[in-house]
Amino acid sequence: DAGITQSPRHKVTETGTPVTLRCHQTENHRYMYWYRQDPGHGLRLIHYSYGVKDTDKGEVSDGYSVSRSKTEDFLLTLESATSSQTSVYFCAIRAGLPYNEQFFGPGTRLTVL
Amino acid sequence: EDQVTQSPEALRLQEGESSSLNCSYTVSGLRGLFWYRQDPGKGPEFLFTLYSAGEEKEKERLKATLTKKESFLHITAPKPEDSATYLCAVPGEGGSEKLVFGKGTKLTVNP
Repeated sequence: DAGITQSPRHKVTETGTPVTLRCHQTENHRYMYWYRQDPGHGLRLIHYSYGVKDTDKGEVSDGYSVSRSKTEDFLLTLESATSSQTSVYFCAIRAGLPYNEQFFGPGTRLTVL
Repeated sequence: EDQVTQSPEALRLQEGESSSLNCSYTVSGLRGLFWYRQDPGKGPEFLFTLYSAGEEKEKERLKATLTKKESFLHITAPKPEDSATYLCAVPGEGGSEKLVFGKGTKLTVNP
């Protein structure tokens, strides 16, 4: 257990509404990640953070923004949700030494109607 | 072009029937290969890291091996509780902070 929680665990929303997903970790890891997982695509990186207020884009960042004001929290925001953003979202932290393994949270299932 | 390819997409085994899953990758200068197990409705669970060709890691009925262009996850005498999707991942061309995942192999072990 890497001490990662995600909230909410399930959410149904409507197209055009803003949505924020939260990832919380308890072990002060520097790197945190947001992925989405879709059938036929596997896990794809959305954004990641390498410190407080330090973030960078991943493979599928369009339509998403992130913020990290505290080490323990990494927020993913969909400014205006679309049906194509229906997915399962996973947060991860990088903890392993020396090979930088990533450890995942339980996921948030988001449905955009 | 996919950097990580897993095969087969799905595999059905009888309990006790050993087999192997494959993960091939195209990234240059490998900086680690990671295997995960994912159960339905849960996040991926870390299994192994392999870093150099010839390296092997074992955990219960699982053994992971690595060559210069692929990795195998060998499952010996599997049990129904080994049923899961197995994912492999490698650091992408952009650096070790970005993992590129394969699409996974869904393993079903029938009693």
